[in-house]
Amino acid sequence: GAVVSQHPSWVICKSGTSVKIECRSLDFQATTMFWYRQFPKQSLMLMATSNEGSKATYEQGVEKDKFLINHASLTLSTLTVTSAHPEDSSFYICSASPGAIMNTEAFFGQGTRLTVV
Amino acid sequence: GQQLNQSPQSMFIQEGEDVSMNCTSSSIFNTWLWYKQDPGEGPVLLIALYKAGELTSNGRLTAQFGITRKDSFLNISASIPSDVGIYFCAGQLGGGTSYGKLTFGQGTILTVHP
Repeated sequence: GAVVSQHPSWVICKSGTSVKIECRSLDFQATTMFWYRQFPKQSLMLMATSNEGSKATYEQGVEKDKFLINHASLTLSTLTVTSAHPEDSSFYICSASPGAIMNTEAFFGQGTRLTVV
Repeated sequence: GQQLNQSPQSMFIQEGEDVSMNCTSSSIFNTWLWYKQDPGEGPVLLIALYKAGELTSNGRLTAQFGITRKDSFLNISASIPSDVGIYFCAGQLGGGTSYGKLTFGQGTILTVHP
């Protein structure tokens, strides 16, 4: 159990276009989802915390108007990179947490490799 | 903000050798986690530690939650080629909306020579 599916696995887009990445919890309800960004050979950096039915909380330095997060249901959160530029190319990873129901941590998706050309 | 210092940054070892890596924090965490990440994949949980002083094993892996709640180590015994990857420690405060919100260490790149 506790499977998180992320789609797409990779995407190439032209500079100036927008890209949507989906994160789904397949066998549990996720009250909270998290979006991370990872550059090559670096650690995962938290971008934002997404709570179902409310606005996302962004970490310092993350542009909320550029990285739009929607968490419309307990099993789906989306990250939209708007007006993407080459410097947005990165590995984006989501995680989902069932919250305090389970004494456990979050479960990670497979990641999405975004390349902006 | 909170930071986790993970060391070593990289390790090159022979198959069969034991490996040890650790993380220290400037502040307290209530949960310590160890993940492994293969290229192009998301992190996969190896061991979760929930109590200070806890020592937990998972096959050839052993991890401990420091008594001060500010550190943790991971040991891998008798390494094999498939142990290759990047290992991350992560800390979680927990409570309220913080469940699942993780702070990661910088990672340890492990290379195992056959």
